[in-house]
This record gives sequence, C-alpha cells and structure tokens, in this order.
Amino acid sequence: QLQLQESGPGLVKPSETLSLTCTVSGGSISSSSYYWGWIRQPPGKGLEWIGSIYYSGSTYYNPSLKSRVTISVDTSKNQFSLKLSSVTAADTAVYYCARHPVVAATTLFDYWGQGTLVTVSS
Amino acid sequence: SSELTQDPAVSVALGQTVRITCQGDSLRSYYASWYQQKPGQAPVLVIYGKNNRPSGIPDRFSGSSSGNTASLTITGAQAEDEADYYCNSRDSSGNHLAYVVFGGGTKLTVL
Repeated sequence: QLQLQESGPGLVKPSETLSLTCTVSGGSISSSSYYWGWIRQPPGKGLEWIGSIYYSGSTYYNPSLKSRVTISVDTSKNQFSLKLSSVTAADTAVYYCARHPVVAATTLFDYWGQGTLVTVSS
Repeated sequence: SSELTQDPAVSVALGQTVRITCQGDSLRSYYASWYQQKPGQAPVLVIYGKNNRPSGIPDRFSGSSSGNTASLTITGAQAEDEADYYCNSRDSSGNHLAYVVFGGGTKLTVL
C-alpha cells in the first residue's frame, strides 16, 4: 500500500523559507506513470495546488506561487521536497503531498499524505 | 489560470439523492475529479475521469459531465457522507497536463 508522509518544521518565521519533505513508501517515486504534488489548505478554507514534479525533475507550479516555490526530487531517497520563500501569515496552512497520476483527459490525486500544519508567526 | 466554481453548501435528507456541481471552462475539455474531506482528515478521491470510482468507494457515488459543468451525485445519502467535497481538473490555461485547478468546495449536510 502506497504511503506518503510529510515532514518539516511546524513553525516558520515571516520572511523566511518554509521547507517540507514528502517520503514515499510502498512504491517508487521513479515511476513514469506519476507526478508528485503539493497541495495546501489554509485553516477553514479550500484546497490550493502548489505544484507538481516528475521523477526526471520537471516541475509545474501554480502561477500565483511560482515566484516563491521550488519543488525538487531525490529518487535515491524516494522523497520530494517543497520550499516556499518569503512566507507571510497567509501561507499558514495544512500542507499535503500527494501522488498525481499522468492522465491526459483529467487530473487527479489518488494517494495523499496525512498533512502537516505549518504556521507562519514570529 | 482557469477557475472552478462550486456552491458553498448543499443539504440532503438522509437516504435521498443529492447532486453537487462544479462549473468551469476547463470542464468543456477535461473531466473533473472529486474528493471527500471530513474534518481533520486528508481529502479522499471518490470519483475521477468519466465516472470511475477508486477501490473502496461505495457505488452510491457517481460522476457526470455536461458542457462546462461536472456533477457528483450521491444516491441514497448516508450520515457518513456529510463532508466537504472538492472538484478539480486540468487547468486549461496551462500548456501541460500537470497544471491543476481546484474548486472552492461544497459543504454537504445530511439532515
């Protein structure tokens, strides 16, 4: 059974960089059938796609966050990571990592991590 | 980028049928996927593609699409179906299939 687990600091200071890692177990991150994505959810609000990465390192970012986001992959560790720079209180959210199958006619996230709350505060 | 619009809240009597809709230009070209999210939990995929259910999702959940509107139908709603529901689809303004857009979510209340 595929499992994803987010890890990283739960508290980040304003203007600093948020860094999270997603560890994938029960399957290979190097499969050509999947992207791997990050999604966030501010408290009491909806879901927002942050970006996705392919095992080759190709990245796709939400245009509204693109200037501050970097997603990378480490196939040797079966992990992918998120960095979000210059954070503000508006970046306080539960951050999820998820598997993103390569499907032409639609898009979906079929396996999700449990999520990790990141609070931006001094 | 594209947008997907959902009604903020919908209610249904126990055992009745409810349809939750999602509107957006990208749905003219691509299918929506639907997620159920209960408080304090990660979203769960319930419908994807034309009308596909992942393993373990009850067959009372079904999906359909017409024009710029995708629908999630729950036939015979149960108390445990009370949750937030989100649609998503490809962002048609992006030049690659990896670009994603989510709807704002619909809170379903089962009366």
